[in-house]
Amino acid sequence: AQKITQTQPGMFVQEKEAVTLDCTYDTSDPSYGLFWYKQPSSGEMIFLIYQGSYDQQNATEGRYSLNFQKARKSANLVISASQLGDSAMYFCAMREGVSGTYKYIFGTGTRLKVLA
Amino acid sequence: DTGVSQNPRHKITKRGQNVTFRCDPISEHNRLYWYRQTLGQGPEFLTYFQNEAQLEKSRLLSDRFSAERPKGSFSTLEIQRTEQGDSAMYLCASSLAGGIGGELFFGEGSRLTVL
Repeated sequence: AQKITQTQPGMFVQEKEAVTLDCTYDTSDPSYGLFWYKQPSSGEMIFLIYQGSYDQQNATEGRYSLNFQKARKSANLVISASQLGDSAMYFCAMREGVSGTYKYIFGTGTRLKVLA
Repeated sequence: DTGVSQNPRHKITKRGQNVTFRCDPISEHNRLYWYRQTLGQGPEFLTYFQNEAQLEKSRLLSDRFSAERPKGSFSTLEIQRTEQGDSAMYLCASSLAGGIGGELFFGEGSRLTVL
């Protein structure tokens, strides 16, 4: 069963506007971590932000914030004040903890295009 | 900190040949992961190591794939008798063990093309 779902294959946003990239997940493990990565056209995977399942507050890193809704099992990435350099693929990932497996499962990604 | 290093960056081979990729993780990282990524898709888990022990291997991996991490340092991923369907980017990543945090640090990948 797919554990990470990203339903938006592609998104457009105007420069300087905010954009939300959706991610839902499925796990029965009470302890897990959620991650967002950016992959520009050059190919490298760049870590953006992390949210632990027990964290009470939503994670923020500069212009990135993670809208964590545990009951809905969603972990949406919000990018504020979009820049042209934000154009890339964005992947949501999850790592389960207590079950003993430490592999990271990735979604299919969302391609973001920032328009000038 | 030199980051995760992978080589070769590109490999073109004929169907049926064997190929080997090498990954050098960040030196203090004890977990090492291999992923495969095809165009327009997310990274697909292949296997991971904690130190020299291979703790999990994807059921998607056929017997033609083998990975090693001798002495818990660098790792190699070998594909025997390559097929055209093996064409993909092979990504290596490393992380520190402990807790459920710990982001993956990725290398630049090794792109395989099987003719």
